[in-house]
Amino acid sequence: AQSVTQPDIHITVSEGASLELRCNYSYGATPYLFWYVQSPGQGLQLLLKYFSGDTLVQGIKGFEAEFKRSQSSFNLRKPSVHWSDAAEYFCAVVPFSGSARQLTFGSGTQLTVLP
Amino acid sequence: NAGVTQTPKFQVLKTGQSMTLQCAQDMNHNSMYWYRQDPGMGLRLIYYSASEGTTDKGEVPNGYNVSRLNKREFSLRLESAAPSQTSVYFCASSPGGTGSTEAFFGQGTRLTVV
Repeated sequence: AQSVTQPDIHITVSEGASLELRCNYSYGATPYLFWYVQSPGQGLQLLLKYFSGDTLVQGIKGFEAEFKRSQSSFNLRKPSVHWSDAAEYFCAVVPFSGSARQLTFGSGTQLTVLP
Repeated sequence: NAGVTQTPKFQVLKTGQSMTLQCAQDMNHNSMYWYRQDPGMGLRLIYYSASEGTTDKGEVPNGYNVSRLNKREFSLRLESAAPSQTSVYFCASSPGGTGSTEAFFGQGTRLTVV
């Protein structure tokens, strides 16, 4: 069955430390891949997306993600976390050649940032 | 730009009551969606409207109805609310059409059914 897995429910990092959030998918063909962020009381905002080409994708707010086909992964990274990055992060996929109505979300990773 | 606007932001209902969640977008998007968000389950699609005049069921449609009132507006109705419908509801929109994959989200409606 097709699925998106975020193995870490909750991650805590200190401000200024590096961050990596994991995402794995299980699809027949490489899907379109997304990371969204949800700040407290807010809707979801798109951080970055991967369709094809360069496997390292740059997004907003200093985030990047690397697509690794061999590992079926699309991990989100940030070199130095800021307190304002505390939020919930969702990995999402759309099947290859699909559309937004087929968005499937992972269960989310809650990020806490310590001062 | 307002983007996607949802009303209300918060609502408490008694079991059996009905209500309609409103959603409007000002981006001239063709497609609109309703999701619910529950702890540990990510977002799940309730209903979507690929274009004005069409609606289709998503993953969890039971207990809900929708209306695509016009291109801008897409409402979600709970006819007889149940405690299992306590959730955060998100409306989203996308340009629509082949290759249109990015969705834009509203700020959500937190619904509690007691």
